[in-house]
Amino acid sequence: DTEVTQTPKHLVMGMTNKKSLKCEQHMGHRAMYWYKQKAKKPPELMFVYSYEKLSINESVPSRFSPECPNSSLLNLHLHALQPEDSALYLCASSPSILAGGPANEQFFGPGTRLTVL
Amino acid sequence: DAKTTQPNSMESNEEEPVHLPCNHSTISGTDYIHWYRQLPSQGPEYVIHGLTSNVNNRMASLAIAEDRKSSTLILHRATLRDAAVYYCILRSHFGNEKLTFGTGTRLTIIP
Repeated sequence: DTEVTQTPKHLVMGMTNKKSLKCEQHMGHRAMYWYKQKAKKPPELMFVYSYEKLSINESVPSRFSPECPNSSLLNLHLHALQPEDSALYLCASSPSILAGGPANEQFFGPGTRLTVL
Repeated sequence: DAKTTQPNSMESNEEEPVHLPCNHSTISGTDYIHWYRQLPSQGPEYVIHGLTSNVNNRMASLAIAEDRKSSTLILHRATLRDAAVYYCILRSHFGNEKLTFGTGTRLTIIP
């Protein structure tokens, strides 16, 4: 199973709502990532988890709160978002956070398309 | 991470070979060259990577210049399914897992 699944596929929320995005992988990967992708732009890294611990936070506003409850699951909790936060949110996983040597490729999910009204 | 430069867009005819260039003049000796692609309405997917030698896999070939300041992703026989944005990314052997995507090349396949 080389799949990263993300739910929901689409999400519409108001600026006062609280919602969560979910990501799951069963490849035994120990690194998981959240990316944000605006229309016609490349993905931008938000967070990296390594062995369920937050390794990188790319200065993301606190209205985005990541959580890694176990090695297979990654959540992104959303609260008080702004319309400019509307984007495709991509989850990815890789065997580890080490970049060198073998590909250590990242496997991406299909994303959650978020619209903030 | 060192930067890469790619053409914004390219077109190719179906069943023809496609050569996607990438310039990375500030590449360091420990940087790997990775390629990912993003098909419409999907997340990115890994294509290929290399360090110094040319590489082949079932999806594509990667040709790396002798001075490593440029590389070319080669799709040997493009199909409509290869229409995507192709990203050339440098990753340091000693770095962490940050994938820094550039603007990429949008490849259009003409039937």
